[in-house]
Amino acid sequence: DSGVTQTPKHLITATGQRVTLRCSPRSGDLSVYWYQQSLDQGLQFLIQYYNGEERAKGNILERFSAQQFPDLHSELNLSSLELGDSALYFCASSAGLAVDTQYFGPGTRLTVL
Amino acid sequence: GENVEQHPSTLSVQEGDSAVIKCTYSDSASNYFPWYKQELGKGPQLIIDIRSNVGEKKDQRIAVTLNKTAKHFSLHITETQPEDSAVYFCAASWGGSSYKLIFGSGTRLLVRP
Repeated sequence: DSGVTQTPKHLITATGQRVTLRCSPRSGDLSVYWYQQSLDQGLQFLIQYYNGEERAKGNILERFSAQQFPDLHSELNLSSLELGDSALYFCASSAGLAVDTQYFGPGTRLTVL
Repeated sequence: GENVEQHPSTLSVQEGDSAVIKCTYSDSASNYFPWYKQELGKGPQLIIDIRSNVGEKKDQRIAVTLNKTAKHFSLHITETQPEDSAVYFCAASWGGSSYKLIFGSGTRLLVRP
């Protein structure tokens, strides 16, 4: 158990809908990262937050957004969902901004029908 | 651009044999290189990492070597066991004031009993 929690574990929804994925980092960790894992793309970095502020961005679609709250939990919002958004979404956390070990949560499996 | 190449994509070994997975990276500023093991239905789990100020690191049956000049690093698993069967990902850090991990495409390791 990495100490990172994610909810829900599974999510099934329809095209055009909007969903919110939630992540709680390890106790004391200030950085949260979001990754997308699909069969043909591997693990793709989406976005990083540090202590409530966005710090780095990857290939995140404009339909996707994230935020980190004062209690350090983070949410990833996916809107206008398409079939191709079906994937595993992982959250990871690390202690700070420096090059730190990232610990991954168990993931949320999103299926868009 | 940001790129980590990982080989082979699949690897099948007999129990007790050694397994080697190799990665190359493109960013000469990368200075942190973790390896993750992902079992079916679970999030990636850190198994070993190395920073650019060392050339080799060992942890029981697992070792990682780093060649910064050639920009490649390798994972070595000795005395493989069936429970080592999983997908292994290498990654390299990317970024300045903040950073993200760029992942390789993964190696599916099968250890035959």
